[in-house]
Amino acid sequence: DAMVIQNPRYQVTQFGKPVTLSCSQTLNHNVMYWYQQKSSQAPKLLFHYYDKDFNNEADTPDNFQSRRPNTSFCFLDIRSPGLGDAAMYLCATSREPGTGGAVLEQYFGPGTRLTVT
Amino acid sequence: GQNIDQPTEMTATEGAIVQINCTYQTSGFNGLFWYQQHAGEAPTFLSYNVLDGLEEKGRFSSFLSRSKGYSYLLLKELQMKDSASYLCAVINSNYQLIWGAGTKLIIKP
Repeated sequence: DAMVIQNPRYQVTQFGKPVTLSCSQTLNHNVMYWYQQKSSQAPKLLFHYYDKDFNNEADTPDNFQSRRPNTSFCFLDIRSPGLGDAAMYLCATSREPGTGGAVLEQYFGPGTRLTVT
Repeated sequence: GQNIDQPTEMTATEGAIVQINCTYQTSGFNGLFWYQQHAGEAPTFLSYNVLDGLEEKGRFSSFLSRSKGYSYLLLKELQMKDSASYLCAVINSNYQLIWGAGTKLIIKP
C-alpha cells in the first residue's frame, strides 16, 4: 500500500543534543510538509517542499532545518532541542496544485513523538 | 489575519447525532477539509468540500456555505470509536492549508 512512513515513532533526546527525524513516502507526491503539533493545538507548519523547492514558514525557528535529498525522503533536523520543542512531528504529502484530480488532501505519516529531557 | 474557529470540546451519547461547526476567515478559498485525529495519532482525511452543499459519506456528512464562511461535520449513529478530535482546515488562495485547533469529541455510553 502506498503510504507515508516516519521513523522513529518515539524519540527521546537530551536538551541541546541534535536530533534528526525522517520521513519517506511511496505516493510519489511532489509536495512534502513538516508540521509540529502540541497537545490540543492545530498542526503548525514548519516547512514544505514543492519538489526540491524549499519553503520556510516565517515563524519557524532557525533551530529547525530540513533536507529533501530526493522525491521519496525528507528529514527534519533540530540542531539544539529545547524543552519547548517536545511535540509530535508530523510529515505529510500531497499532489501539487494543478496536477491530477481536484482534491488536494494531505496524507499524513504516523508522526514522531519527541521528548526532550 | 486568517483564522478558523471551532468549539474546543463537545460531548455526545453513543448512537446519537452530533454536529461540529467550523467558521473560517481566510485569504481566498480553494476547499475545506475535515480530518479525524485520535489521541497520539496522525490526522486522517474524512471529507472535502469546495462547492456549497452537503457531501455525504456513510455515517459522516460535511456541509459548506462559502458565502457564510461556514462548514459543519455531521456524525450519525455515534460509536465509541468516534471519540477523537475533529480538525477543520481550509486551503487559501496561495494553496496554504490553514488549520483549526480541533474539536475534541467525547462519546459517552
